[in-house]
Amino acid sequence: DAGVTQSPTHLIKTRGQHVTLRCSPISGHKSVSWYQQVLGQGPQFIFQYYEKEERGRGNFPDRFSARQFPNYSSELNVNALLLGDSALYLCASSPRDRTYMNTEAFFGQGTRLTVV
Amino acid sequence: EDQVTQSPEALRLQEGESSSLNCSYTVSGLRGLFWYRQDPGKGPEFLFTLYSAGEEKEKERLKATLTKKESFLHITAPKPEDSATYLCAVQAPASGGSYIPTFGRGTSLIVHP
Repeated sequence: DAGVTQSPTHLIKTRGQHVTLRCSPISGHKSVSWYQQVLGQGPQFIFQYYEKEERGRGNFPDRFSARQFPNYSSELNVNALLLGDSALYLCASSPRDRTYMNTEAFFGQGTRLTVV
Repeated sequence: EDQVTQSPEALRLQEGESSSLNCSYTVSGLRGLFWYRQDPGKGPEFLFTLYSAGEEKEKERLKATLTKKESFLHITAPKPEDSATYLCAVQAPASGGSYIPTFGRGTSLIVHP
């Protein structure tokens, strides 16, 4: 079975631009979460989507948005990029859980975003 | 504010030298503590979930334990392939009925042959 796939793997953007990152969850997983990981730190939670609805949001500005599609794939959008947005963006999918808790999460390889 | 602190930040072991990694947490209403392994340039790999104090789980050379304030990841007779960053995360209820996971900064483990 294919794991969580993310695209692109690497991306370089200029300050002020916007970016769209994509994620395909493991087949059968309906929950997708997004994380930002700055070098040397643990992942920081951005969003969780379950059944196409936002179920959780971390402490990130409104420049960050996301959505989940009927096939459970997801996009993370970041507008007006800042240098500080440079990081590894991770997507994780989880098995269906009726309480919407993040049980064991399966992470993709991430998208390395560099803002110059 | 929920906090997760991992120690030590870095650990160097000789092959076969057992040790423990610590994850201390302060959350209201813990709904799970998770351990992940992360290799350089890759996403974290799930290891364990613990839900209540006294719970223990094992996988090969790894054993995770949980108390009301901290969790330990015990590594018995480690091998060089156990070298990685080990991340701890806790999950607690947030506003609107959601659950927010909070990760620690990780412990970088290097096992020398």
